[in-house]
Amino acid sequence: AQSVTQLDSQVPVFEEAPVELRCNYSSSVSVYLFWYVQYPNQGLQLLLKYLSGSTLVESINGFEAEFNKSQTSFHLRKPSVHISDTAEYFCAVIDTNAGKSTFGDGTTLTVKP
Amino acid sequence: DVKVTQSSRYLVKRTGEKVFLECVQDMDHENMFWYRQDPGLGLRLIYFSYDVKMKEKGDIPEGYSVSREKKERFSLILESASTNQTSMYLCASSPSGTGGYEQFFGPGTRLTVL
Repeated sequence: AQSVTQLDSQVPVFEEAPVELRCNYSSSVSVYLFWYVQYPNQGLQLLLKYLSGSTLVESINGFEAEFNKSQTSFHLRKPSVHISDTAEYFCAVIDTNAGKSTFGDGTTLTVKP
Repeated sequence: DVKVTQSSRYLVKRTGEKVFLECVQDMDHENMFWYRQDPGLGLRLIYFSYDVKMKEKGDIPEGYSVSREKKERFSLILESASTNQTSMYLCASSPSGTGGYEQFFGPGTRLTVL
């Protein structure tokens, strides 16, 4: 079985400040790792994912996440946030042998002017 | 462009009614999923299907059933709606296999049971 823990349910920050959304997982097998974003009144959409190779992955809108195998973490970071980054962010893992994802409970990022 | 559509954005039903939530994807994906999303509880998997007419229970299947008669369509059925089924319902699809494929989500249906 696998599980995902997002350590912060709410993260309020001011515009242009850096942010880190924390995600830890547990699994007895190898996993792939994902971050999804959900803007208000929309479904989830993929932000970035780690499958293999470089442990640092980036999205097109300035977010990055680093896979840390020893700490079983996949924290999401952005050096300078915008108002438009206000959304709910979900960390997810998928067993490399299966098709089901396990999602964290979500972190609500609120960017204030 | 990849698309997952859900039949309704908002739905209001009465306790005891039979409710159908429809989901259609146009990407020829084998896997389809139904989740419910509640504040503070994240996404919880209700059922998923990895092929036509195939289904598997997720983490919270009680009170729900599903139907997949065609590859592109996956229906969630509430046989007798109850107030504790008031929630946001999200449908998703993904390709099959172990390639680390992400899921593609529909916009969600916000169901209120009175």
